[in-house]
Amino acid sequence: KAGVTQTPRYLIKTRGQQVTLSCSPISGHRSVSWYQQTPGQGLQFLFEYFSETQRNKGNFPGRFSGRQFSNSRSEMNVSTLELGDSALYLCASSPAGTGFTDTQYFGPGTRLTVL
Amino acid sequence: GENVEQHPSTLSVQEGDSAVIKCTYSDSASNYFPWYKQELGKGPQLIIDIRSNVGEKKDQRIAVTLNKTAKHFSLHITETQPEDSAVYFCAASWTYGGATNKLIFGTGTLLAVQP
Repeated sequence: KAGVTQTPRYLIKTRGQQVTLSCSPISGHRSVSWYQQTPGQGLQFLFEYFSETQRNKGNFPGRFSGRQFSNSRSEMNVSTLELGDSALYLCASSPAGTGFTDTQYFGPGTRLTVL
Repeated sequence: GENVEQHPSTLSVQEGDSAVIKCTYSDSASNYFPWYKQELGKGPQLIIDIRSNVGEKKDQRIAVTLNKTAKHFSLHITETQPEDSAVYFCAASWTYGGATNKLIFGTGTLLAVQP
C-alpha cells in the first residue's frame, strides 16, 4: 500500500497570507490527524477528522482549520499567517478509530516557512 | 493537564551497546503508548507501540515496557547500529468519552550511535 502523502512538501508564504495543505491517507484509512512540529514546542496535536467530522481539537487559534472529504482526503488551512506558524505540518492516518486509539502512520510533512 | 516527559534529551552510545529512553505521563487514563523514530527530513515512523493491558512488548532488537502504577514507559534498543541514529519520540493517548487519536508527544531524544 502507498503511504500517507502530503502536498506540497515545501511552501513559502508571507505574513498575512493564507495557506492550504493537503493530505491523502493510506488507502482504506478513515481517520486523519494533523500535527504541528516546531523546535520550540515539539509535536503538537491540531485536530482529527473521522468520517468528514472533526472529532478532536487541540489548543490552536481559530486561524487553523481543516476538513475531510468523502474519500478521506483532508486539507488544513491557516489564515492570516504569522511568523510563528513556520513549522513542519504532519498528517497522520489511521484505520478505523472506533472505540480505541488507532495506530497512526505519518506522512513526510509539509515544511511551511512564513516570511 | 496532559503531559509527557521524556529523558534523556540526547543519548550517545557505542555501536553494539544498548540504549534506554524513558517517558512519564500525567494522565492516568492514558492507555496507548507508541514510539516513533524520526530521521532528518522525514515524518515520524512508528517503531513499536503498547496498550495498557500489556506490561511488555518486544520486536527483534526493540522492546517497550510499561509501568502503569508509576505512569512511566521505556524504550529499549539492544545491539545498536549506526542506522538507529535518529530522534525518538514517545507519545501517550487515551480513550474516554469515545475514541480519540490525539497523541501527546514527549520532547524527543536524539540518539547517536557511534561506530
